[in-house]
Amino acid sequence: ETGVTQSPTHLIKTRGQQVTLRCSSQSGHNTVSWYQQALGQGPQFIFQYYREEENGRGNFPPRFSGLQFPNYSSELNVNALELDDSALYLCASSFPSGRTQETQYFGPGTRLLVL
Amino acid sequence: SQKIEQNSEALNIQEGKTATLTCNYTNYSPAYLQWYRQDPGRGPVFLLLIRENEKEKRKERLKVTFDTTLKQSLFHITASQPADSATYLCALGAGTASKLTFGTGTRLQVTL
Repeated sequence: ETGVTQSPTHLIKTRGQQVTLRCSSQSGHNTVSWYQQALGQGPQFIFQYYREEENGRGNFPPRFSGLQFPNYSSELNVNALELDDSALYLCASSFPSGRTQETQYFGPGTRLLVL
Repeated sequence: SQKIEQNSEALNIQEGKTATLTCNYTNYSPAYLQWYRQDPGRGPVFLLLIRENEKEKRKERLKVTFDTTLKQSLFHITASQPADSATYLCALGAGTASKLTFGTGTRLQVTL
């Protein structure tokens, strides 16, 4: 186990709704990254937070937003859910030296189903 | 656009043999490459990291090579065991990376 926890484990929402996913990073890690993994695909980078500020964003629309708290835990918010948002959402924490990303420690993920 | 290719077909090998997985990339100059293992319904687990100036890295039964000229990494599992059955993902990162770019993964099945 990596020490990264995510909640909830599973979630069912309907199209147009909003969802908040939560992540607690591994102790001592100040960087959290979020990834979306569709079935049969590799994880796709959504964004990363470093010391409570966004530190890079992938090719996702603004309705995907996030937060990082002083204790380095993080939230991923998705507004106006679409069917294609159905996926496994992964959180990964790391402690980069400087601002260089190193090994990432993944949580178990939240499985989101949008109907 | 950046592209990372891993063999999308499952790799089936017999216990005790060496499994070799391939990761090819285009339109990318990574500072490092990582390999992860992912079991069904679980998050990826880090296995090995190799930097652009390294040719080979080993860890127990695992070996990874990195050829920046060929734009290819090979991942080897020697003396494979049924417990090695999983999906293996390669991921590329840049020097001051804000993200990892993953391949689609290769499913390895080790049979008795």
